[in-house]
Amino acid sequence: QSALTQPASVSGSPGQSITISCTGTSSDVGNYDYVSWYQHHPGKAPKLMIYDVRKRPSGVSNRFSGSKSGNTASLTISGLQAEDEADYYCSTYIPSTTLYVFGPGTKVTVL
Amino acid sequence: EVQLVESGGGLVQPGGSLRLSCEASKSTFRSFAMSWVRQAPGKGLEWVSAISTSGGSTYYADSVKGRFTISRDNSKNTLYLEMNSLRAEDTALYYCANYFCGGVTCSEAFDTWGQGTMVTVSS
Repeated sequence: QSALTQPASVSGSPGQSITISCTGTSSDVGNYDYVSWYQHHPGKAPKLMIYDVRKRPSGVSNRFSGSKSGNTASLTISGLQAEDEADYYCSTYIPSTTLYVFGPGTKVTVL
Repeated sequence: EVQLVESGGGLVQPGGSLRLSCEASKSTFRSFAMSWVRQAPGKGLEWVSAISTSGGSTYYADSVKGRFTISRDNSKNTLYLEMNSLRAEDTALYYCANYFCGGVTCSEAFDTWGQGTMVTVSS
């Protein structure tokens, strides 16, 4: 199965912007717009933050935005807040295999 | 918004079997494709299996193919995961999730998640 790579951790001060990368290959991230991002606070259910690379579900703060360039997708959190401290996972669907893959997760710390 | 509640987890010996259930709060359950996703202790999320709205199409991660079976009963608003030949590496918190649907189209993203049910495979 394909593997996605994410930085293990990213940190920022309140009010700052941070970006989490999610790198795949031309067979998955680079060729399809199926990247989604999830926020996961320990002990709680994961929450969908971004789908189809850049679309935001109703109710998700517009401080969260998604983008993609080549084989790398990114999640940007602007105006960082204490409540944003969580683990963030990217995921993509790979039509050629009908499989889904998650990245290893990135721990976001608000300093 | 639909709510999902998983059940059926527990302690099982290696080689044993377990059936997980995921009950949805609304009859709109039948309109959503569903997936199971797991998280091993201290590890990240791992997609396990998916099923179409009718149950006619099913998909599995290589790590569980041939051992796990996903199914659904739309009359009971319930999703299932039958797990056989369990291994220590199947120990995880198992979540069910429905796919995100906005308007008339659905995306390959997991929208609502349950709280999970813990499966521990150990002798």
